[in-house]
Parts: sequence; structure tokens; C-alpha cells
Amino acid sequence: KAGVTQTPRYLIKTRGQQVTLSCSPISGHRSVSWYQQTPGQGLQFLFEYFSETQRNKGNFPGRFSGRQFSNSRSEMNVSTLELGDSALYLCASSLAGEGTGELFFGEGSRLTVL
Amino acid sequence: AQSVTQPDIHITVSEGASLELRCNYSYGATPYLFWYVQSPGQGLQLLLKYFSGDTLVQGIKGFEAEFKRSQSSFNLRKPSVHWSDAAEYFCAVDTNAGKSTFGDGTTLTVKP
Repeated sequence: KAGVTQTPRYLIKTRGQQVTLSCSPISGHRSVSWYQQTPGQGLQFLFEYFSETQRNKGNFPGRFSGRQFSNSRSEMNVSTLELGDSALYLCASSLAGEGTGELFFGEGSRLTVL
Repeated sequence: AQSVTQPDIHITVSEGASLELRCNYSYGATPYLFWYVQSPGQGLQLLLKYFSGDTLVQGIKGFEAEFKRSQSSFNLRKPSVHWSDAAEYFCAVDTNAGKSTFGDGTTLTVKP
């Protein structure tokens, strides 16, 4: 069974631009979560989607948004990029509708903002 | 709100020595508890999980963890560390479906 696939793996943007990251979950997984990982802040929860609905949201500004499609694939978008948005963005999928919380992570998309 | 504390930022052990990584959580009820491992440039991989029942859980790669409710702890152990265990380890709590709270991680260095 294929794992969680994130694209692109690496990207470089400049301040003020916007970026879209994509995540394809494990087949059959309906929950997709996004996390931002930085050396200073660690792993921070961005949001989680289940059956195309945002079910949970972390404490990030509105510049960070996401969506989930009917095939469970998810995208996240960051608008008006700032230097501090440089990070590894991790997507994780989960089989459970609720409860178990076991996450399967992709390898991440490393964003550098110049 | 739930929180996870990993007191040790960095631990160095010799190959073949035993290992214990500490994790304390803050939550009113019994949460779902996890340990993940991250190698450089990789995503996180689940090592083991605790939901209920036996408080000593076994995971992959020879790791185990013990849930102690009285201490709000979920420490990770391995009797004999291998050089390939060098990585960053994260303890996590899930109290709301789809939202996990992670500790800041412990970086493990293994000396030959």
C-alpha cells in the first residue's frame, strides 16, 4: 500500500508570494492533518480535514488555509508569504473517523521563503 | 488544553547501552499516547501507541513504553541501542480526533 505522498518536496519562494502544497493520503484514509515543523517552534498543528470538512484548526493566521477533495487528497495554501513561514510542512493521514489518532506521515514539503 | 513535555532536548548514549526517553503529558482524562521517530529529512514514523489496557506497550524496532497514570508519564525505553536508532523522538497526545499535540522532541545521538 502506498504511503502518504507530499508534493513538492522542496520549494523556494519570496516574501509576498503564495504557495500551494499537496498531500495524497494512504488509500482508504479519510482524515488528513497538516503540521508545521520549525526548529524554534517544533511541530505545530495547522488543521485537519475529514470527509472534505475542516474538523480542527490550530492557532495560525488566516493566511494559512486548506481544503480536502472528495478523493481525500488535500491541499494547503499559504498566502502573502513571510520569512517566518520557512518550515517543513508535514501532512499526515489517519484511518479512523475518530478516536485512535494514529498518524501516518509523509516526508514533508520543505518551504524556504527568501 | 493538553500539553506534552519532553524534558531532555538531547541525549547521548553508547551503542549497546540502554535508553530511556522521558515524556510527561497534561490532560484531565486518559489520552491516547504515542511515540514517533523522525530521521533527518524524513517524516515521522509511529513507534508505538497506548490507548488502554496493559500499561507496558511494545513497539517496533525493540522499543517499549510504560504508561504511568499517577505520574502522567509515558517514557520510552530500549534495552540496547543500535547506531541506527540515532534520530529525533517525539511523544504525542491525541485528545481530539485528528489533532495531536507533540512534545518538542528529544534528539538521540549514539556513540560507537
